[in-house]
Amino acid sequence: GQNIDQPTEMTATEGAIVQINCTYQTSGFNGLFWYQQHAGEAPTFLSYNVLDGLEEKGRFSSFLSRSKGYSYLLLKELQMKDSASYLCAVMDSNYQLIWGAGTKLIIKP
Amino acid sequence: DAMVIQNPRYQVTQFGKPVTLSCSQTLNHNVMYWYQQKSSQAPKLLFHYYDKDFNNEADTPDNFQSRRPNTSFCFLDIRSPGLGDAAMYLCATSRGGATDTQYFGPGTRLTVL
Repeated sequence: GQNIDQPTEMTATEGAIVQINCTYQTSGFNGLFWYQQHAGEAPTFLSYNVLDGLEEKGRFSSFLSRSKGYSYLLLKELQMKDSASYLCAVMDSNYQLIWGAGTKLIIKP
Repeated sequence: DAMVIQNPRYQVTQFGKPVTLSCSQTLNHNVMYWYQQKSSQAPKLLFHYYDKDFNNEADTPDNFQSRRPNTSFCFLDIRSPGLGDAAMYLCATSRGGATDTQYFGPGTRLTVL
């Protein structure tokens, strides 16, 4: 079966750095997406990785290792508004998005 | 601004009373998706349209139907809502390339009384 694993919840301090991990087992791979979802709102696109390595976009970076079936989202200089759920999703060989359940990130002052 | 719009944002219905949720897009995207998301769970794909080509996920209950009368609009019909159908319903669009990003509307939160 296809599976995406992420920690359920993480806590971090304002101004700090946090890394949210995602491991996946899917039938084929056509890229990995990270979305941010604030409570009661729709997911918003953060990043897309299809090649190994680190993609940096401002305070957010996303890393992919296809051989390990592993990705992480790195958030720097955390702000209170970063409190949200972060969803990892993998596009499989049928170009279907397989979603993780999300990691709820709690930022404390 | 180009966007994905969902109406209403909050919908309350009675057990067994049909309800229709709507989605429109100004992005001129070929693909439209309907997802169901329950609290702290991953979004679950119900249907998607590539243009007018309808694709039903194998485990989508028969209680759920969808219509896409034109490129801009897509509807989700729940024929006889049960208490288990209370959820956030998300509409998303993508251009239609195999790995294109999906863009989401704000969602409709459905409550079943």
